[in-house]
Amino acid sequence: DAGITQSPRHKVTETGTPVTLRCHQTENHRYMYWYRQDPGHGLRLIHYSYGVKDTDKGEVSDGYSVSRSKTEDFLLTLESATSSQTSVYFCAISETGRYGYTFGSGTRLTVV
Amino acid sequence: AQTVTQSQPEMSVQEAETVTLSCTYDTSESDYYLFWYKQPPSRQMILVIRQEAYKQQNATENRFSVNFQKAAKSFSLKISDSQLGDAAMYFCAYRTDFKAAGNKLTFGGGTRVLVKP
Repeated sequence: DAGITQSPRHKVTETGTPVTLRCHQTENHRYMYWYRQDPGHGLRLIHYSYGVKDTDKGEVSDGYSVSRSKTEDFLLTLESATSSQTSVYFCAISETGRYGYTFGSGTRLTVV
Repeated sequence: AQTVTQSQPEMSVQEAETVTLSCTYDTSESDYYLFWYKQPPSRQMILVIRQEAYKQQNATENRFSVNFQKAAKSFSLKISDSQLGDAAMYFCAYRTDFKAAGNKLTFGGGTRVLVKP
């Protein structure tokens, strides 16, 4: 989507390896979010950020960490990937929230 | 914590007909926002329509309209004159108006819409 990019778009990794997903925005929005999408569960919040170096946990944060050292970048790290973390990961940005989010294109992560 | 429930995993509609997707939510708050997102096979999340809880008038965007029943905590989406391009997953989402909550969106499990030509 315009103003927000995720990388990589697809990734296959082995169990136990570290993985980092990147979200980059050019909108200068304050809020950034990481969600995972699984069949039947919709999108569930992993972590979010409300400013540089300000982050908080979502409902499914176990096994994930995040960092935001610049307004434009929000990194999601799986310290030791497990098969249960196979999912599609979405980054989103928001300013006031009144108008919802703008989403990235998603990253399909497969842990084998 | 708020919860959002979409009770219809899949709905099928004939082209040019109308389909209504159900969404209910649980909250103790009085001020909040509700959204419907569309996710086509491309995986992109597209905002379809939004509703502010303080507004009694139902939102409308072209062929998409909502029926917002605040007391019943219901927020259904009606797609009129369905087109093949409407085939997608549709997600209902809730956002509190409470600023300290981080503008977080809570999503329902989704409803897949199939459009038959």
